[in-house]
Amino acid sequence: KNQVEQSPQSLIILEGKNCTLQCNYTVSPFSNLRWYKQDTGRGPVSLTIMTFSENTKSNGRYTATLDADTKQSSLHITASQLSDSASYICVVSGPSSGTYKYIFGTGTRLKVLA
Amino acid sequence: DAGITQSPRHKVTETGTPVTLRCHQTENHRYMYWYRQDPGHGLRLIHYSYGVKDTDKGEVSDGYSVSRSKTEDFLLTLESATSSQTSVYFCAIRQGEANTEAFFGQGTRLTVV
Repeated sequence: KNQVEQSPQSLIILEGKNCTLQCNYTVSPFSNLRWYKQDTGRGPVSLTIMTFSENTKSNGRYTATLDADTKQSSLHITASQLSDSASYICVVSGPSSGTYKYIFGTGTRLKVLA
Repeated sequence: DAGITQSPRHKVTETGTPVTLRCHQTENHRYMYWYRQDPGHGLRLIHYSYGVKDTDKGEVSDGYSVSRSKTEDFLLTLESATSSQTSVYFCAIRQGEANTEAFFGQGTRLTVV
């Protein structure tokens, strides 16, 4: 069964600290992996997208890594800010029956405290 | 917000009534999607469209229908709303499949009482 599991479910950190969010998936065949940020009451916004040949992708203070062999990805946030408080969603996609299937994780809810 | 507008943003309706949610895009993207987001679940695909009048079912399509008569509009209809359809609904658009970017609307919070 195609699944995407994220950990932890929630996380509280102090402003300025770093943190790492995890994503494990069983989606096969695999095409790419995306990380989204979703602020409360808003739609998800893309942070990074990686294909199976990419190991690392950065977007400002956000760095995503991908190990396609172990089917694991992580999102590292450096020097966190209050505005980083949001849910972070991992999405894995791959071809399926002539189209593409996008499997969403349930997200990690991050709260950054002053 | 990448030219996607969902309407209404909030709606409360009674069980058994029909409800239509609208997604409007100004990006001329080919693919449009309707998802629902519920606590404890990732976003789940309801229906999607790959062109005008071309639609297909997603994983949670029961109780929902869609229509796309123009490139820019994708309508989601609940023929007879039930309490289990209380959710936040998101529309998304994408230029192509595979490695292209998806852009999401702001969401519609629907409550069925």
